[in-house]
Amino acid sequence: QVQMVQSGAEVKKPGAVVKVSCKTSGYTFIEYGVTWVRQVPGQGLEWMGWISAENGDTKYAQSLQGRLTLTTDSSSNTAYMELRGLKSEDTAVYYCGRGGWVALEFWGQGTLVTVSS
Amino acid sequence: EIVLTQSPATLSLSPGERATLSCRASQSVSSSYLAWYQQKPGQAPRLLIFVASSRATGVPDRFRGSGSGTDFTLTISRLEPEDFAVYYCQQYGKSPVFGPGTRIDLK
Repeated sequence: QVQMVQSGAEVKKPGAVVKVSCKTSGYTFIEYGVTWVRQVPGQGLEWMGWISAENGDTKYAQSLQGRLTLTTDSSSNTAYMELRGLKSEDTAVYYCGRGGWVALEFWGQGTLVTVSS
Repeated sequence: EIVLTQSPATLSLSPGERATLSCRASQSVSSSYLAWYQQKPGQAPRLLIFVASSRATGVPDRFRGSGSGTDFTLTISRLEPEDFAVYYCQQYGKSPVFGPGTRIDLK
């Protein structure tokens, strides 16, 4: 069965960098992209970006351009989300999901990133 | 960029009642690339409907998606206790975006 298991919660200071991993199993990794979505506590879902696991093509939300980098490692079937220049408003639960321009049927469990001085 | 508006923001209903949730797009959603998700506290979203009207695997048939163009609807024919949650629509075409959500509360 398809599984997406994310790394654990992080606490970071403003201005720092966070890198969240999403280890996948149960499907052929390079056949699907990975989408990242975040959710500020108590608020809605925000689409962050997408990466093709086949060729590394990416598309980022305009609001995160320049601070967000998505990567994959096909040797370990893992996707990564790196966000730089953290601000308090980046405090959120970050989710990975399987697919790009498709509805997201499979999701990771979420990773809480807290940005606090 | 397409903007999605969901209404109402909150729906207060009782088990057994019908729920009708609306999702309106600021521009036509290409190929009906419109999905609906259910989210419960502390959980990842769960896909219910894709391409506007197709139910995802394992989704009960009391959930029905409809619509095209700029107007889409999620209907839950008879609410079960486990259906009280927040529902998001998403267009997953050119620049994916989520709507702000509709919460279904227990009346």
